[in-house]
Amino acid sequence: NAGVTQTPKFQVLKTGQSMTLQCAQDMNHEYMSWYRQDPGMGLRLIHYSVGAGITDQGEVPNGYNVSRSTTEDFPLRLLSAAPSQTSVYFCASSYSNIGETQYFGPGTRLLVL
Amino acid sequence: KNEVEQSPQNLTAQEGEFITINCSYSVGISALHWLQQHPGGGIVSLFMLSSGKKKHGRLIATINIQEKHSSLHITASHPRDSAVYICAVLGNQFYFGTGTSLTVIP
Repeated sequence: NAGVTQTPKFQVLKTGQSMTLQCAQDMNHEYMSWYRQDPGMGLRLIHYSVGAGITDQGEVPNGYNVSRSTTEDFPLRLLSAAPSQTSVYFCASSYSNIGETQYFGPGTRLLVL
Repeated sequence: KNEVEQSPQNLTAQEGEFITINCSYSVGISALHWLQQHPGGGIVSLFMLSSGKKKHGRLIATINIQEKHSSLHITASHPRDSAVYICAVLGNQFYFGTGTSLTVIP
């Protein structure tokens, strides 16, 4: 099993550009989530999904869109990148939300100029 | 307002020392997780606790639900334990502490 994979590993964007961060898992996990990690702050939840076709907002959803058309994939879209979105983004999955081990992807480092 | 507070923020230890990292939280939870973030950035789940104590190798995690407190202990610390340790609690969503950066010196 590859576990949770994320692409790209690093991306530089200009303000106003759009892009999609890819996340995939091959463990047949129902629950997937996106976090951002900023210096001096804990991981913050952006969006999550409890199964294909079901998504919901987390703590910091503004400026991001998600969709979940398959169990395996959970892409995160930046519609119009802003410098405040410079961060490290982690995708995670677990069998279910409640009390299950979270498996994290390797992260995507995003720099918005 | 931080739902999860960790202490200390930074910790330097000599190889072989016994280490304790503390986590206090303010929300009702169904589970608490301890995570390890390697210097390269990858995050690995170490423990999931809802009560009592768990042990894995040299790592021990305890939780006191009444006091809303958890501790992560590392016995006989080793330089390869150098990492950031993150406490996360599951309430209506996951809330994360800012992490404890541990450096173990040979």
